[in-house]
Amino acid sequence: AQSVTQLGSHVSVSEGALVLLRCNYSSSVPPYLFWYVQYPNQGLQLLLKYTTGATLVKGINGFEAEFKKSETSFHLTKPSAHMSDAAEYFCAVSGGSSGYALNFGKGTSLLVTP
Amino acid sequence: DADVTQTPRNRITKTGKRIMLECSQTKGHDRMYWYRQDPGLGLRLIYYSFDVKDINKGEISDGYSVSRQAQAKFSLSLESAIPNQTALYFCATSSVGFSTDTQYFGPGTRLTVL
Repeated sequence: AQSVTQLGSHVSVSEGALVLLRCNYSSSVPPYLFWYVQYPNQGLQLLLKYTTGATLVKGINGFEAEFKKSETSFHLTKPSAHMSDAAEYFCAVSGGSSGYALNFGKGTSLLVTP
Repeated sequence: DADVTQTPRNRITKTGKRIMLECSQTKGHDRMYWYRQDPGLGLRLIYYSFDVKDINKGEISDGYSVSRQAQAKFSLSLESAIPNQTALYFCATSSVGFSTDTQYFGPGTRLTVL
């Protein structure tokens, strides 16, 4: 079964600083990996996804993630944090079974301080 | 208008009551999902449906039932609500059913069982 682990339930950065949210996966088959963002009182929105091909994936709002098979990682980064980036971030892997439902990590809450 | 809508957005009920959460989508997708979000646990799959005639249990289906009334409508029922079903519930949809599919989420229903 595929699963993901997000390291750090809370991350705090200063405005303008690098954002790094960590995600490691476990999968017996080539994984399809996703990052979703949840703003307060809203549903989840796709930031980016990795399927095949280029291992550096660019998403919306300046975020990107790099798939590293050797490290079983899919960390999310943004060069310069904005106040509006404060949200809950979820890493997920496509389950393969279960109708391709997603297996989510427990989430990382990003706080951006002035 | 939102592509995936959920009603109600908030609901407070009492132990033992029957409650239904509704989801509608205008994306024309065949696949629909119900997830539950608990703080610190991420999202977990309750049920999923490939089409009107195909409904499947997810990771945590005990205490829940679903109905797919039409391609666009997927309802989640709690036959006899209990306090540990207090959570944020999300409906999601995806198109043809590949591991790479993006899932589109509704805004969520916050359910409190007293």
